[in-house]
Formats: sequence, C-alpha cells, structure tokens
Amino acid sequence: NAGVTQTPKFRVLKTGQSMTLLCAQDMNHEYMYWYRQDPGMGLRLIHYSVGEGTTAKGEVPDGYNVSRLKKQNFLLGLESAAPSQTSVYFCASSSLGEGGEQFFGPGTRLTVL
Amino acid sequence: KNQVEQSPQSLIILEGKNCTLQCNYTVSPFSNLRWYKQDTGRGPVSLTIMTFSENTKSNGRYTATLDADTKQSSLHITASQLSDSASYICVVSASKDGNNRKLIWGLGTSLAVNP
Repeated sequence: NAGVTQTPKFRVLKTGQSMTLLCAQDMNHEYMYWYRQDPGMGLRLIHYSVGEGTTAKGEVPDGYNVSRLKKQNFLLGLESAAPSQTSVYFCASSSLGEGGEQFFGPGTRLTVL
Repeated sequence: KNQVEQSPQSLIILEGKNCTLQCNYTVSPFSNLRWYKQDTGRGPVSLTIMTFSENTKSNGRYTATLDADTKQSSLHITASQLSDSASYICVVSASKDGNNRKLIWGLGTSLAVNP
C-alpha cells in the first residue's frame, strides 16, 4: 500500500516548455487534489476532482489543466510553463471530500527558468 | 475574509521539553479544524481533525484543543523528540453549501527540536 505517489520528484523546465505531473493513489479514494506550496503562503488549491472523469477549478487554476481518466490517477499539465509556476506541487486524495482527511503525496519540486 | 493565523512563526526547543503552538481563525461558517505536520521535503500528514463540538483531541504526544467561541486552537507537544522538528500547519474547513467545503491553510509554525 503505497498511498499517494507523485512523479517526477524534481523537474527543471525552460519558459514555454510543457510537462505533465502524475499523481497516483491506491486507496480507492474518490476525491483528488492538486496544490502548490510557495514560501510565505499557505497551500493553494489548483484543481480538484470529485470522481473519475470529473475535474473542477480551485483557487489558482490559471495556466494549468488536469485530467482524471482513471480513478486512481490525477494528472496536472502545464502547457506553457512560466517562472511564476516555480513551486512545490502536492497531490492529495480523500474519501470524504474537502471536509475529510486528505492524504498527501511527497511533492514535486518544479523550477521554471 | 476567511483567515488562519498561526503563532509563533518559528520555535526552537530542547529535546524532552513541551511546547504549545497557536492558531487563530476567522472562518465562517466553520466546519472543522485540522492540524498537519509537514517534514522538510515531504507532504503534510494529518495529526488531528476536530469538529465544532470537540474541544480536545489527542494523537500520541500531540494534543489539540479547540475553542469555537474565541476561534482559537492550540497544539500541545509533550516530551518533544528530535523527530518532531517540522512545520505544523493549522487548516480550517469552511462549509460552503452542503458537503461542499473550502480549506483555509495557515502558514505554519516551524519547530526545531535540538538535542
């Protein structure tokens, strides 16, 4: 039982490049989330999903897209990376929605030059 | 505006000592309050979740209290260990409508436990 896993762990991009971050969970959770964490700021919700095939915008969705084709996977895409997207990205999952306990992955540290 | 404020911003204590971290919030309508521990370079891990009717909850050496009237919570760590060195984040869930909720994250208290 691995919980929530994220790939890659680290990535450096040049401005304008694209990439996809993968999140996988083996707890059969319905809800999945993508957050970003920046110095001096609390975690901010980018996008979330309440079930397979569904996605919704969070607090800071601009510049990101997501997909939830399979229940266990939640993908975060950056189509044209910008330096402002330099951050640590965390994926989380839960069985009860935002009111319930969320289980987090180890994070992906992304640097955009 | 919904806000969660934590104090102190950082704290250094000696191994074996106790400490208390504070969380004040202005979140309405309140749903629940949780404390997370985040080790450096790792994702947050849930310590406790408390609803409006709960005023204390323990998880091993961690004890959280909640005063819904004053909108304050504290996290007390007993007999600290080196492994307690981490950031402790207070998160308040605001109930939007029905089961739809929003999480408001604090900035965390950075705790260093020295030998």
